[in-house]
Amino acid sequence: AQTVTQSQPEMSVQEAETVTLSCTYDTSESDYYLFWYKQPPSRQMILVIRQEAYKQQNATENRFSVNFQKAAKSFSLKISDSQLGDAAMYFCAYRRGVGDSNYQLIWGAGTKLIIKP
Amino acid sequence: DAGVTQSPTHLIKTRGQQVTLRCSPKSGHDTVSWYQQALGQGPQFIFQYYEEEERQRGNFPDRFSGHQFPNYSSELNVNALLLGDSALYLCASSFGAGWNSPLHFGNGTRLTVT
Repeated sequence: AQTVTQSQPEMSVQEAETVTLSCTYDTSESDYYLFWYKQPPSRQMILVIRQEAYKQQNATENRFSVNFQKAAKSFSLKISDSQLGDAAMYFCAYRRGVGDSNYQLIWGAGTKLIIKP
Repeated sequence: DAGVTQSPTHLIKTRGQQVTLRCSPKSGHDTVSWYQQALGQGPQFIFQYYEEEERQRGNFPDRFSGHQFPNYSSELNVNALLLGDSALYLCASSFGAGWNSPLHFGNGTRLTVT
């Protein structure tokens, strides 16, 4: 069974600085998707960034980028120029690939990100 | 364009009771998934509905059941509530299987069982 592990229960960073959140996963599949979601106090899960396993290039969305190491099964999120609005719980999630009849997302336990003004 | 809406926002029930949670998907979406998020944990997949049928189910007992209506809205029913059912219940919608259509989540229903 696939598992997702986030080893950092809480991280803090000074506003405008850079922070990296860690995620490792375990799977025997070769085709899959990885995601980072943000959950602010409003409770709504918001997609931050997505990575397809078959793509070697790391995904980037504005100030958010990932370091995808497929062989090491590692998927870290880097947030540059941290802003107060980035404060939230961040979840790493995994889903099996296109064509597989397994639609569920498998989630890590989350990392609470604190932004210091 | 309304996103995913869930009702009610909060709910308090007693052990043994039954509860129904509701979800309206984002406009244009036809698939609804339900997740349970216990305090301090990541969400756990309950089931997914597509074309009014349960397409996939996670490791949840039969006390958890659902329904999808012709307008794609969905209900989650939980019977014989246990204290351990206290959690945030998240609804997510997508178009089709969601491969190229990211999941959109609602704000969840906070269920407290006393």
